Amino acid sequence: GQNIDQPTEMTATEGAIVQINCTYQTSGFNGLFWYQQHAGEAPTFLSYNVLDGLEEKGRFSSFLSRSKGYSYLLLKELQMKDSASYLCAVLDSNYQLIWGAGTKLIIKP
Amino acid sequence: ETGVTQTPRHLVMGMTNKKSLKCEQHLGHNAMYWYKQSAKKPLELMFVYSLEERVENNSVPSRFSPECPNSSHLFLHLHTLQPEDSALYLCASSQDGDSRTQYFGPGTRLLVL
Repeated sequence: GQNIDQPTEMTATEGAIVQINCTYQTSGFNGLFWYQQHAGEAPTFLSYNVLDGLEEKGRFSSFLSRSKGYSYLLLKELQMKDSASYLCAVLDSNYQLIWGAGTKLIIKP
Repeated sequence: ETGVTQTPRHLVMGMTNKKSLKCEQHLGHNAMYWYKQSAKKPLELMFVYSLEERVENNSVPSRFSPECPNSSHLFLHLHTLQPEDSALYLCASSQDGDSRTQYFGPGTRLLVL
């Protein structure tokens, strides 16, 4: 079967760095997405990785290793507004998005 | 209006009611999706429309009935729902291509009594 694993919840301190991991087992691979979802709001697109390596976008970076079926989202200089759920999703060989359950990130002052 | 919009934002209905959820995308995309999101569960894909034709129905109960009259509008018709259908219903759109990044509407929070 197809499976996406990510931690259920993480806690970090304002100003610090946090890494949210995602491992996947899917039928084929056409890219991996990270979305941010604040409570009661829509998921918003953060990043898309299809090649191995690190993609940096401001305070957020996303890493992919296709051989290991592994990705992480790195958030630097954490702000209170970064408190949200972070969803990992993989586009499989049929171009269907397989979603993880999301990681709830709690930022403490 | 920009992006993806959904109405209503909140809906409370009884099990015998009939209601419809509406989604509109202003991004010029050619694919639209309905998802169900329940607490602490992955997003569940319900329906996919590409070029106004349904291409996927993930074994959704017949009490949910989608309609896509054109590439910008998507409806989800609801009838005789069950309390376990209470959830956040999200609409998304994308453009066919390599990444097919999906952009989401704000969702409809549905409570079935």
